[in-house]
Amino acid sequence: KQEVTQIPAALSVPEGENLVLNCSFTDSAIYNLQWFRQDPGKGLTSLLLIQSSQREQTSGRLNASLDKSSGRSTLYIAASQPGDSATYLCAVPFSGGYNKLIFGAGTRLAVHP
Amino acid sequence: GAGVSQTPSNKVTEKGKYVELRCDPISGHTALYWYRQSLGQGPEFLIYFQGTGAADDSGLPNDRFFAVRPEGSVSTLKIQRTERGDSAVYLCASSIRAGEADTQYFGPGTRLTVL
Repeated sequence: KQEVTQIPAALSVPEGENLVLNCSFTDSAIYNLQWFRQDPGKGLTSLLLIQSSQREQTSGRLNASLDKSSGRSTLYIAASQPGDSATYLCAVPFSGGYNKLIFGAGTRLAVHP
Repeated sequence: GAGVSQTPSNKVTEKGKYVELRCDPISGHTALYWYRQSLGQGPEFLIYFQGTGAADDSGLPNDRFFAVRPEGSVSTLKIQRTERGDSAVYLCASSIRAGEADTQYFGPGTRLTVL
């Protein structure tokens, strides 16, 4: 049974720091992994999707890597800003599928000026 | 362009009542998903539609929950005889297809409170 774990659960950093958020999953037979951002009281915003054949994806200051064999993904945020404060969630499809997603509980990030 | 919209944004009901939650997906998206999110947790899969049919309803917790998508666009999640444990944020998402490279786009959610 696929399980997704995110570490740390919460993180508070000063502005300008480079950050690494971690996601681990128990079944490495995944087709993709997605990272989402959720602001308080809001829905989820897709940040990056990494297909199983890819090792990483980049968007602006965000870089996500995927190591299927070890069951891990990291989200790297460069030069953090207060506007990055949110909860970051990673998700993988249920075993054998593409689309039913299993989410971690998220990492709550606070970037203070 | 318009994203996924959900109505109502908030719904307060009494235990035992019936509720309907609506989702308008992004135009042209054939796949539609419902998730439920409890406080401090990630979303939990409920059901997904490919076109008009429910391709997978394995996440529905029991037979009080039902969802439809009669014309392959708007979907309604229906909950009968609501219980306090049904209180959560119900999230809808859509994707252009249901393939491995297809990102799911989420709506803002409906916060359901059962008193």
